[in-house]
Amino acid sequence: GEDVEQSLFLSVREGDSSVINCTYTDSSSTYLYWYKQEPGAGLQLLTYIFSNMDMKQDQRLTVLLNKKDKHLSLRIADTQTGDSAIYFCAEVANSGYALNFGKGTSLLVTP
Amino acid sequence: DSGVTQTPKHLITATGQRVTLRCSPRSGDLSVYWYQQSLDQGLQFLIQYYNGEERAKGNILERFSAQQFPDLHSELNLSSLELGDSALYFCASSIKGQAYGYTFGSGTRLTVV
Repeated sequence: GEDVEQSLFLSVREGDSSVINCTYTDSSSTYLYWYKQEPGAGLQLLTYIFSNMDMKQDQRLTVLLNKKDKHLSLRIADTQTGDSAIYFCAEVANSGYALNFGKGTSLLVTP
Repeated sequence: DSGVTQTPKHLITATGQRVTLRCSPRSGDLSVYWYQQSLDQGLQFLIQYYNGEERAKGNILERFSAQQFPDLHSELNLSSLELGDSALYFCASSIKGQAYGYTFGSGTRLTVV
């Protein structure tokens, strides 16, 4: 089947903005999610966006959704070293119950 | 602490063996989901239980099975283990469906030698 696609790596300088991109597969997905995974830890829900929204802002996080292109992005403003982690986007699977995850974008923030 | 508890944190076992992974969902959550995370496959959905009943199945091998008990904790049983089963196994829970996202446990790292 089709996969949720993300670029694998992103490196930014501390204080810069980070933009992580994702292409999802199911245009009928009602919710789209961003999760963060730090080393040795589980996935932490960062934010989500409902499919009838174009944008959602939550403190330093901005999610943009382009339904026509099935493109989702996560912008982290003023990126800090503590933001270094793997970021996963996820869509609701066809079954309606599970989430399909991308393979994750590894974000490295350098001083 | 996410509220989802997984035990054990680490498990090393030999090929051909059987192991049981345990998950206690967050208080009030009725759904439990199991995922396998490996470097090559990423996060793969295995199975979901809702209030004791199997609700959805993903890429779960026939050698694997799960159940959810009346107290809502869940167990994932992996048998006839192969080297390729080495992975992180995550449990997640939610109140009912998936609509508001899952809360994940910290995972069980399984190493098959």
